[in-house]
Amino acid sequence: KAGVTQTPRYLIKTRGQQVTLSCSPISGHRSVSWYQQTPGQGLQFLFEYFSETQRNKGNFPGRFSGRQFSNSRSEMNVSTLELGDSALYLCASSLARGSRQETQYFGPGTRLLVL
Amino acid sequence: AQSVAQPEDQVNVAEGNPLTVKCTYSVSGNPYLFWYVQYPNRGLQFLLKYITGDNLVKGSYGFEAEFNKSQTSFHLKKPSALVSDSALYFCAVRAPLSGNTPLVFGKGTRLSVIA
Repeated sequence: KAGVTQTPRYLIKTRGQQVTLSCSPISGHRSVSWYQQTPGQGLQFLFEYFSETQRNKGNFPGRFSGRQFSNSRSEMNVSTLELGDSALYLCASSLARGSRQETQYFGPGTRLLVL
Repeated sequence: AQSVAQPEDQVNVAEGNPLTVKCTYSVSGNPYLFWYVQYPNRGLQFLLKYITGDNLVKGSYGFEAEFNKSQTSFHLKKPSALVSDSALYFCAVRAPLSGNTPLVFGKGTRLSVIA
């Protein structure tokens, strides 16, 4: 079974631009979560989607948004990029929400560099 | 709100010796506890989880973890360390489904196994 895939793997943007990252979950997984990883802040939860609905949201400004499609694929968007948005963005998928199968499997991440 | 503490930023161990990576947590109710490993330039790989049942959980690559409710700990252990175990290890906790319950990670512990 294919794992979680994320595209693109690497991205360079300039301040003020916007960016869209994509995540394809493991086949059959309906829950997708996004995390930001930085050396200073570690792993921080961004949001979680299940059945095309945002279920949880972390403490990030409104510039960070996301969505999930009917095939469970998810995208996250960051508008008006700031230098501090440079990070590794990780996507994780899980089979269901709140059940004993609540193991999140992570993709390789998208490394975003904002100049 | 739930939280995780990994008190050691770095753990050094000689190859062949037992290793322990410490984790303590704070959460309301019975926790879901996880360990992940991250190799350089890679996403997180799932190692093991505790949901309920036996306090000693066995996972991938010979790792195990012991859930201790009275000490609110979930330390990761391996009887004999390998150089290939050198990586960044994350402990994570999630409260039982109740409102906004994202996966919360510790800051990570860098394990270095010396030949």
